[in-house]
Amino acid sequence: AQSVTQLDSQVPVFEEAPVELRCNYSSSVSVYLFWYVQYPNQGLQLLLKYLSGSTLVKGINGFEAEFNKSQTSFHLRKPSVHISDTAEYFCAVTHMNTGFQKLVFGTGTRLLVSP
Amino acid sequence: DVKVTQSSRYLVKRTGEKVFLECVQDMDHENMFWYRQDPGLGLRLIYFSYDVKMKEKGDIPEGYSVSREKKERFSLILESASTNQTSMYLCASRSGLAGGLYEQYFGPGTRLTVT
Repeated sequence: AQSVTQLDSQVPVFEEAPVELRCNYSSSVSVYLFWYVQYPNQGLQLLLKYLSGSTLVKGINGFEAEFNKSQTSFHLRKPSVHISDTAEYFCAVTHMNTGFQKLVFGTGTRLLVSP
Repeated sequence: DVKVTQSSRYLVKRTGEKVFLECVQDMDHENMFWYRQDPGLGLRLIYFSYDVKMKEKGDIPEGYSVSREKKERFSLILESASTNQTSMYLCASRSGLAGGLYEQYFGPGTRLTVT
């Protein structure tokens, strides 16, 4: 089965500290990888995506993620978080199989940034 | 800017009522999606449409149907609402070109409560 695992349901962190949100996937074919963010009372918006090429991907708001094929991971990082980064973060994968390509989402990680 | 709008932010319905959730996108996207979002479960795909009048079941279609009569509009229908359909419903659209290469754009969501 093709799936996405976000092991941490909640990550509390202090402002200006670094943070890493973990994402692992399983797939028998090549994948595209995405991180989406959902701020309170809003829909999801794209943070960054990996399609091919460099394994280090930079996104909006200072976030970056690294694709590691051998470990089937796509962890999200930020060196210094702000209060405004408090949100839910979703990792998602599209499997490059034939037919219609759908996004499969992880269960989400709630990032709680406190002063 | 891509805009995906949903007809209601909050909706309260009674058990057994027929419920319509409307979604409109303004980017001429071929693909449209309906998800439900529940705590700890992430986003789960209910139905998607890859063209006008075309629809496909997602992972959890039971109790739902959809309609796509115009390219810009994708409706989710709960034929007889039940309390276990209380959830946040998110609509998304995506360009139909190059499959899963492109990001999905999300609406703000409709929080449906069935009493």
